[in-house]
Amino acid sequence: QKEVEQNSGPLSVPEGAIASLNCTYSDRGSQSFFWYRQYSGKSPELIMSIYSNGDKEDGRFTAQLNKASQYVSLLIRDSQPSDSATYLCAVKSSGGSNYKLTFGKGTLLTVNP
Amino acid sequence: DTEVTQTPKHLVMGMTNKKSLKCEQHMGHRAMYWYKQKAKKPPELMFVYSYEKLSINESVPSRFSPECPNSSLLNLHLHALQPEDSALYLCASSIRTDTGELFFGEGSRLTVL
Repeated sequence: QKEVEQNSGPLSVPEGAIASLNCTYSDRGSQSFFWYRQYSGKSPELIMSIYSNGDKEDGRFTAQLNKASQYVSLLIRDSQPSDSATYLCAVKSSGGSNYKLTFGKGTLLTVNP
Repeated sequence: DTEVTQTPKHLVMGMTNKKSLKCEQHMGHRAMYWYKQKAKKPPELMFVYSYEKLSINESVPSRFSPECPNSSLLNLHLHALQPEDSALYLCASSIRTDTGELFFGEGSRLTVL
């Protein structure tokens, strides 16, 4: 059973702080990693993809991947109240079931003004 | 056009009704998906279409019947549903099935009475 684990939160940070969201996965052969943001009552929206070890930055968002530790994280700098949402970590399986994207249960982030 | 359009946005149906959910994308994507999402849970994969052919059925009950009339359209036909089938039904598309970069529609919120 391929698993993706996230701390369900809620994670509460003050406006302007760095929010750190973490995710671990069980399938060592996984190659592709994604962060989706889902506002309450809305559909998921892709915000970051990362495929190789290290950091990937996009504006206020930085994704970090460590395949040896089977760990992926998302940092949100200068957090804004509009960042308040559930963040879903998703991992693309390798091999025969390459169609399947496994989602973690999500971390609810609240940014307090 | 980077949108996935789903209709209807809300649907209430009785257990003996037959209804359909519709999804449309004009991004030239060749993979389309149906997901089911319950409150405070991650999206759960139901079906995958690749190049208009059903490639994956995640052991979904036969009361859900998918159809892909062409590369831009995806339907989900509903018949004899149960109250526990009430959920947000999400359509998504991607360039191919081997990518985890999905574009989600806004979803159809289904209530079964």
